[in-house]
Amino acid sequence: SQKIEQNSEALNIQEGKTATLTCNYTNYSPAYLQWYRQDPGRGPVFLLLIRENEKEKRKERLKVTFDTTLKQSLFHITASQPADSATYLCAPAGGGNKLTFGTGTQLKVEL
Amino acid sequence: NAGVTQTPKFQVLKTGQSMTLQCAQDMNHNSMYWYRQDPGMGLRLIYYSASEGTTDKGEVPNGYNVSRLNKREFSLRLESAAPSQTSVYFCASIKGTGQGDYEQYFGPGTRLTVT
Repeated sequence: SQKIEQNSEALNIQEGKTATLTCNYTNYSPAYLQWYRQDPGRGPVFLLLIRENEKEKRKERLKVTFDTTLKQSLFHITASQPADSATYLCAPAGGGNKLTFGTGTQLKVEL
Repeated sequence: NAGVTQTPKFQVLKTGQSMTLQCAQDMNHNSMYWYRQDPGMGLRLIYYSASEGTTDKGEVPNGYNVSRLNKREFSLRLESAAPSQTSVYFCASIKGTGQGDYEQYFGPGTRLTVT
């Protein structure tokens, strides 16, 4: 069955540093992969989509890579700020534009 | 645009009671989804509707039914609630034009407790 793994342990980093979150998936080949941000008590918010033929995608301080050989996506936040503290969800796409979500990695950016 | 709206925000049910969770989007999106989110489990797809008039089961459909009332509205019904259905329920939609537009827009969620 399809499986998605994200670091279950929280990631604590200092303000200004680069945060790197990992998403590994097994048993399928997604045509694209999405990353979402979720704050406590709120619904997820879309951040970035990367397609299988793209190696890297950037948006402001965010960067996503997609390695279909390793079956892995990395999500980077550069110059991190306390406002970036949230849970980040990885979601590779299955058939019919259905997403399978990872359990998320909680990021805490400290002053 | 209000985006995706869900009602109610909170609900407490007794085992065996029924209820309908309502979802509406005003973005003229084609596809709509219902998820549940439990601690340590991530978001799991219950049902989805690829387009108006169609519905399909997701990963965890047992105990639920859905209705795509029109393009805007997609409701989730619990016929006989069970404590295992205690969860946070999210509705989402995508434009899904076939040319892209695959990002999902989520509602604020419904927090359901079944006692």
